[in-house]
Amino acid sequence: SYELTQPPSVSVSPGQTARITCSGDALPKQYAFWYQQKPGQAPVLVMKKDIERPSGTPERFSGSSSGTTVILTISAVQAEDEADYYCQSADSSGTFWVFGGGTRLTVL
Amino acid sequence: EVQLVESGGGVVHPGGSLRLSCAASGFIFNTYWMSWVRQAPGKGLEWVASIKEDGNEEVYVDYVKGRFTVSRDNAKNSLFLQMHSLRAEDTAVYYCVKGVYTMLTGHYFDNWGQGTLVTVSS
Repeated sequence: SYELTQPPSVSVSPGQTARITCSGDALPKQYAFWYQQKPGQAPVLVMKKDIERPSGTPERFSGSSSGTTVILTISAVQAEDEADYYCQSADSSGTFWVFGGGTRLTVL
Repeated sequence: EVQLVESGGGVVHPGGSLRLSCAASGFIFNTYWMSWVRQAPGKGLEWVASIKEDGNEEVYVDYVKGRFTVSRDNAKNSLFLQMHSLRAEDTAVYYCVKGVYTMLTGHYFDNWGQGTLVTVSS
């Protein structure tokens, strides 16, 4: 079965830049999407189609893609950005959907 | 405003059945794919099942095929998940999720309910 791989954790100090990676063999063919989940809350879409910010996502969030890896970058990290982040995409056929294992962003 | 409200969760014995419901409002329900995504306690998100706008196509993750059935009632703006032969590993919060699915965008999940907890335990 298809898998997306994320680092379990990323830690940064306030004001620094956080980069969260997501790797998968089908990512050159399939878009990636990112979700933010804070404790006790439902996930929220924060990035779509690799690089597009949905309305409501702060401008400090950006996305990029290179080959089999996509990256969610949070510039000038704020305490409120502390959360779990999940990438999501599809297998190469586009008919099954999968989430990465999630990355806990800690703001020191 | 999009609202997705799940119900039907609870405690069930291994091998038992449960039916989850989701009441949708704030959007034209019959023009969107809908999905169920679950999250085991302390674990990550897991896509479970999706159903096409008209209900004529269903897709499932492998390990629920034959046990779970997703359905919808477009007249009542409702989504369902019938679960049979439940196992301890099915214990999770189940989220009702509105999807955006086109050939150009792929499939992503733009609105989530607050979830309903299913606990499979003897």
